[in-house]
Amino acid sequence: GQSLEQPSEVTAVEGAIVQINCTYQTSGFYGLSWYQQHDGGAPTFLSYNALDGLEETGRFSSFLSRSDSYGYLLLQELQMKDSASYFCAVRDEYPNAGKSTFGDGTTLTVKP
Amino acid sequence: EAEVAQSPRYKITEKSQAVAFWCDPISGHATLYWYRQILGQGPELLVQFQDESVVDDSQLPKDRFSAERLKGVDSTLKIQPAELGDSAMYLCASSPLAGRTSTDTQYFGPGTRLTVL
Repeated sequence: GQSLEQPSEVTAVEGAIVQINCTYQTSGFYGLSWYQQHDGGAPTFLSYNALDGLEETGRFSSFLSRSDSYGYLLLQELQMKDSASYFCAVRDEYPNAGKSTFGDGTTLTVKP
Repeated sequence: EAEVAQSPRYKITEKSQAVAFWCDPISGHATLYWYRQILGQGPELLVQFQDESVVDDSQLPKDRFSAERLKGVDSTLKIQPAELGDSAMYLCASSPLAGRTSTDTQYFGPGTRLTVL
Protein backbone atom coordinates (compact mmCIF):
# COMPACT_ATOMS: atom_id res chain seq x y z
CA GLY A 1 0.00 0.00 0.00
CA GLN A 2 0.84 3.65 0.02
CA SER A 3 1.25 6.05 2.92
CA LEU A 4 2.23 9.71 2.85
CA GLU A 5 3.17 12.11 5.61
CA GLN A 6 3.02 15.88 5.47
CA PRO A 7 2.70 18.52 8.20
CA SER A 8 -0.87 19.32 9.16
CA GLU A 9 -0.43 23.09 9.38
CA VAL A 10 2.01 25.77 8.27
CA THR A 11 1.79 29.52 8.88
CA ALA A 12 3.76 32.22 7.07
CA VAL A 13 3.55 35.91 6.31
CA GLU A 14 2.79 37.58 3.02
CA GLY A 15 5.85 37.84 0.79
CA ALA A 16 7.71 35.05 2.55
CA ILE A 17 8.81 31.64 1.28
CA VAL A 18 7.37 28.42 2.67
CA GLN A 19 8.29 24.78 2.12
CA ILE A 20 5.82 21.91 2.58
CA ASN A 21 7.46 18.52 2.94
CA CYS A 22 6.09 15.15 1.98
CA THR A 23 7.55 11.74 2.75
CA TYR A 24 6.07 8.58 1.35
CA GLN A 25 6.21 4.81 1.68
CA THR A 26 4.88 3.04 -1.36
CA SER A 27 4.68 -0.36 -2.96
CA GLY A 28 4.82 1.25 -6.40
CA PHE A 29 5.94 4.71 -7.46
CA TYR A 30 5.65 6.57 -10.73
CA GLY A 31 5.67 10.17 -9.61
CA LEU A 32 4.68 12.75 -7.00
CA SER A 33 1.98 15.35 -7.62
CA TRP A 34 0.92 18.42 -5.68
CA TYR A 35 -2.61 19.81 -5.52
CA GLN A 36 -4.07 22.96 -3.99
CA GLN A 37 -7.53 23.02 -2.47
CA HIS A 38 -9.25 26.13 -1.21
CA ASP A 39 -11.85 25.74 1.50
CA GLY A 40 -14.99 24.20 -0.02
CA GLY A 41 -13.41 23.95 -3.45
CA ALA A 42 -12.02 21.21 -5.65
CA PRO A 43 -8.36 20.19 -5.72
CA THR A 44 -6.43 21.81 -8.56
CA PHE A 45 -3.19 20.48 -9.99
CA LEU A 46 -0.02 22.42 -9.20
CA SER A 47 3.03 20.36 -10.08
CA TYR A 48 4.36 16.91 -10.86
CA ASN A 49 7.77 15.22 -10.46
CA ALA A 50 8.63 11.88 -11.98
CA LEU A 51 12.40 12.34 -11.82
CA ASP A 52 14.73 13.63 -9.13
CA GLY A 53 15.20 17.35 -9.05
CA LEU A 54 13.37 20.62 -9.05
CA GLU A 55 10.42 21.61 -11.24
CA GLU A 56 9.55 25.29 -11.35
CA THR A 57 6.18 26.76 -12.29
CA GLY A 58 6.01 30.45 -11.59
CA ARG A 59 6.00 31.10 -7.85
CA PHE A 60 5.67 27.39 -7.12
CA SER A 61 8.43 24.80 -7.29
CA SER A 62 8.41 21.12 -6.45
CA PHE A 63 11.32 18.85 -5.62
CA LEU A 64 11.68 15.09 -5.58
CA SER A 65 14.30 12.69 -4.24
CA ARG A 66 13.31 9.16 -5.15
CA SER A 67 16.15 7.63 -3.13
CA ASP A 68 14.93 9.41 0.01
CA SER A 69 11.21 8.93 -0.75
CA TYR A 70 10.86 12.64 -0.16
CA GLY A 71 9.53 15.67 -1.89
CA TYR A 72 8.56 19.21 -1.14
CA LEU A 73 6.53 22.07 -2.50
CA LEU A 74 8.10 25.51 -2.32
CA LEU A 75 5.90 28.58 -2.48
CA GLN A 76 7.62 31.92 -2.99
CA GLU A 77 6.38 35.49 -2.65
CA LEU A 78 3.42 34.29 -0.66
CA GLN A 79 0.09 36.00 -1.26
CA MET A 80 -3.06 35.96 0.86
CA LYS A 81 -4.78 33.91 -1.84
CA ASP A 82 -2.26 31.10 -1.27
CA SER A 83 -4.03 30.29 2.00
CA ALA A 84 -5.36 26.81 1.23
CA SER A 85 -4.71 23.13 1.80
CA TYR A 86 -1.91 21.49 -0.14
CA PHE A 87 -1.85 17.78 -0.86
CA CYS A 88 0.96 15.60 -2.08
CA ALA A 89 -0.12 12.52 -3.99
CA VAL A 90 1.82 9.49 -5.14
CA ARG A 91 1.00 8.26 -8.61
CA ASP A 92 1.19 4.50 -8.91
CA GLU A 93 3.07 2.65 -11.60
CA TYR A 94 1.75 0.41 -14.36
CA PRO A 95 -0.63 -1.47 -14.36
CA ASN A 96 -2.18 0.92 -11.86
CA ALA A 97 -1.10 3.93 -13.86
CA GLY A 98 -3.15 6.97 -13.09
CA LYS A 99 -4.10 5.88 -9.58
CA SER A 100 -3.08 8.49 -7.04
CA THR A 101 -2.92 8.15 -3.27
CA PHE A 102 -3.21 11.47 -1.44
CA GLY A 103 -1.74 12.63 1.83
CA ASP A 104 -3.98 14.25 4.41
CA GLY A 105 -2.96 17.73 3.38
CA THR A 106 -1.17 20.72 4.86
CA THR A 107 -3.21 23.77 5.73
CA LEU A 108 -1.26 26.90 4.85
CA THR A 109 -2.28 30.14 6.49
CA VAL A 110 -0.77 33.32 5.06
CA LYS A 111 -0.89 36.29 7.39
CA PRO A 112 -0.51 39.95 6.43
CA GLU B 1 -12.02 26.19 -20.39
CA ALA B 2 -13.50 22.68 -20.13
CA GLU B 3 -14.50 21.52 -16.66
CA VAL B 4 -15.69 18.42 -14.90
CA ALA B 5 -19.36 18.79 -14.00
CA GLN B 6 -20.98 17.23 -10.96
CA SER B 7 -24.48 17.29 -9.55
CA PRO B 8 -25.97 17.84 -7.13
CA ARG B 9 -23.56 20.15 -5.32
CA TYR B 10 -25.17 19.41 -1.96
CA LYS B 11 -27.26 16.50 -0.77
CA ILE B 12 -28.87 15.92 2.60
CA THR B 13 -30.42 12.55 3.23
CA GLU B 14 -31.48 10.33 6.07
CA LYS B 15 -29.67 7.12 6.87
CA SER B 16 -30.97 4.05 5.05
CA GLN B 17 -32.03 6.17 2.07
CA ALA B 18 -30.53 5.85 -1.40
CA VAL B 19 -28.48 8.64 -2.98
CA ALA B 20 -26.93 9.09 -6.40
CA PHE B 21 -24.29 11.44 -7.71
CA TRP B 22 -23.61 12.30 -11.33
CA CYS B 23 -20.38 13.28 -13.06
CA ASP B 24 -19.67 14.48 -16.58
CA PRO B 25 -15.91 14.47 -17.30
CA ILE B 26 -14.03 16.74 -19.65
CA SER B 27 -14.84 15.77 -23.21
CA GLY B 28 -12.41 13.20 -24.56
CA HIS B 29 -11.05 12.14 -21.19
CA ALA B 30 -10.94 8.36 -21.12
CA THR B 31 -10.23 7.97 -17.42
CA LEU B 32 -12.71 8.87 -14.70
CA TYR B 33 -12.19 8.68 -10.96
CA TRP B 34 -14.54 8.89 -7.99
CA TYR B 35 -13.00 9.99 -4.70
CA ARG B 36 -14.38 10.42 -1.20
CA GLN B 37 -12.92 13.18 0.93
CA ILE B 38 -13.67 13.30 4.63
CA LEU B 39 -13.18 16.69 6.28
CA GLY B 40 -9.54 17.19 7.22
CA GLN B 41 -8.28 14.32 5.07
CA GLY B 42 -7.07 13.85 1.54
CA PRO B 43 -9.21 12.40 -1.25
CA GLU B 44 -9.49 8.61 -1.16
CA LEU B 45 -10.00 6.77 -4.43
CA LEU B 46 -13.22 4.77 -4.57
CA VAL B 47 -13.28 3.68 -8.21
CA GLN B 48 -11.38 4.29 -11.44
CA PHE B 49 -12.83 3.79 -14.93
CA GLN B 50 -10.98 3.47 -18.19
CA ASP B 51 -13.67 4.21 -20.78
CA GLU B 52 -16.60 2.07 -19.58
CA SER B 53 -14.51 -0.51 -17.70
CA VAL B 54 -13.67 -0.50 -14.01
CA VAL B 55 -9.90 -0.75 -13.56
CA ASP B 56 -9.77 -0.29 -9.79
CA ASP B 57 -12.56 -0.53 -7.23
CA SER B 58 -10.56 -2.05 -4.41
CA GLN B 59 -11.59 0.69 -1.97
CA LEU B 60 -15.27 0.77 -2.94
CA PRO B 61 -17.58 -0.63 -0.22
CA LYS B 62 -19.41 -2.85 -2.63
CA ASP B 63 -22.11 -3.90 -0.20
CA ARG B 64 -23.62 -0.42 -0.43
CA PHE B 65 -21.79 1.52 -3.15
CA SER B 66 -22.04 1.05 -6.89
CA ALA B 67 -20.66 2.97 -9.83
CA GLU B 68 -21.25 2.81 -13.54
CA ARG B 69 -20.08 4.52 -16.70
CA LEU B 70 -22.23 2.81 -19.26
CA LYS B 71 -21.19 4.60 -22.45
CA GLY B 72 -17.73 5.58 -21.31
CA VAL B 73 -18.70 9.20 -20.87
CA ASP B 74 -20.66 10.33 -17.82
CA SER B 75 -20.83 8.33 -14.62
CA THR B 76 -23.10 7.72 -11.65
CA LEU B 77 -22.10 6.78 -8.11
CA LYS B 78 -24.83 5.35 -5.91
CA ILE B 79 -25.05 4.62 -2.20
CA GLN B 80 -27.80 2.38 -0.88
CA PRO B 81 -28.45 2.45 1.99
CA ALA B 82 -26.63 5.57 3.18
CA GLU B 83 -25.01 5.45 6.62
CA LEU B 84 -23.98 8.26 8.97
CA GLY B 85 -20.31 7.59 8.19
CA ASP B 86 -20.87 8.30 4.50
CA SER B 87 -21.07 12.03 5.17
CA ALA B 88 -18.25 13.47 3.08
CA MET B 89 -17.39 15.28 -0.12
CA TYR B 90 -17.60 13.07 -3.20
CA LEU B 91 -15.24 14.24 -5.90
CA CYS B 92 -15.12 13.21 -9.52
CA ALA B 93 -11.97 13.67 -11.58
CA SER B 94 -10.97 12.89 -15.14
CA SER B 95 -7.73 12.60 -17.05
CA PRO B 96 -6.97 12.02 -20.71
CA LEU B 97 -4.42 9.25 -20.62
CA ALA B 98 -4.70 7.30 -17.33
CA GLY B 99 -1.28 8.40 -16.20
CA ARG B 100 0.53 6.98 -19.18
CA THR B 101 2.60 10.08 -19.59
CA SER B 102 4.36 12.19 -17.04
CA THR B 103 2.29 15.21 -17.96
CA ASP B 104 -1.05 13.49 -17.48
CA THR B 105 -2.94 14.97 -14.58
CA GLN B 106 -6.34 14.78 -12.98
CA TYR B 107 -8.94 17.51 -13.28
CA PHE B 108 -11.42 17.62 -10.42
CA GLY B 109 -15.05 18.64 -10.42
CA PRO B 110 -16.56 20.84 -7.68
CA GLY B 111 -17.77 17.83 -5.71
CA THR B 112 -21.00 16.80 -4.03
CA ARG B 113 -21.17 17.41 -0.30
CA LEU B 114 -23.25 14.65 1.27
CA THR B 115 -24.74 14.92 4.74
CA VAL B 116 -26.40 11.85 6.19
CA LEU B 117 -28.70 12.51 9.14
